[in-house]
Amino acid sequence: DAGITQSPRHKVTETGTPVTLRCHQTENHRYMYWYRQDPGHGLRLIHYSYGVKDTDKGEVSDGYSVSRSKTEDFLLTLESATSSQTSVYFCAISDGPVASGLQETQYFGPGTRLLVL
Amino acid sequence: AQSVAQPEDQVNVAEGNPLTVKCTYSVSGNPYLFWYVQYPNRGLQFLLKYITGDNLVKGSYGFEAEFNKSQTSFHLKKPSALVSDSALYFCAVREKGQRQKVTFGIGTKLQVIP
Repeated sequence: DAGITQSPRHKVTETGTPVTLRCHQTENHRYMYWYRQDPGHGLRLIHYSYGVKDTDKGEVSDGYSVSRSKTEDFLLTLESATSSQTSVYFCAISDGPVASGLQETQYFGPGTRLLVL
Repeated sequence: AQSVAQPEDQVNVAEGNPLTVKCTYSVSGNPYLFWYVQYPNRGLQFLLKYITGDNLVKGSYGFEAEFNKSQTSFHLKKPSALVSDSALYFCAVREKGQRQKVTFGIGTKLQVIP
């Protein structure tokens, strides 16, 4: 899985508690992404980062925050977990010279299954 | 806004037969197009992409896809399906100029029947 790890791989939590998911890469790629995968919705972008301390919102960012203090780590925080945030969360990375198109390919981590009770 | 549609929730094909998984897209300008595959309990794996140039793109595991600008389609194909091709396939699009925001389809489950 292209030098990407996610932790934890599985988590069960209760409504209202904060949860932090971690994505760690060893590829030194510039771009990092957080997606959630839900049946009938495919993958939806939550937040992404285009460099250390540079982040932007995706299409489903409400209730989530992110931080990137180092190139290799991208954290996703559910500020107060709700049952609607039960999902599988994927981290992805991409990089490469713009002109080559290499940056367009995203490489995905193994995912984190989150259950909010 | 960019979007992608995968009109079939599931495609069933007999082993050895050709397979097609359909994808259509909508962007304002020129598209970057991708296919990814997901095996059970795994992350997505890159199969192939169209950036520019030849409309027929060849990728991993014998898959190919054809970019058709007039029909705004990017169908995934393989001449002879294997049981091991059974998986969930995602089409994705990014409009040139949109900073790193890739839109994925909802996925098509491919079932190859022995």
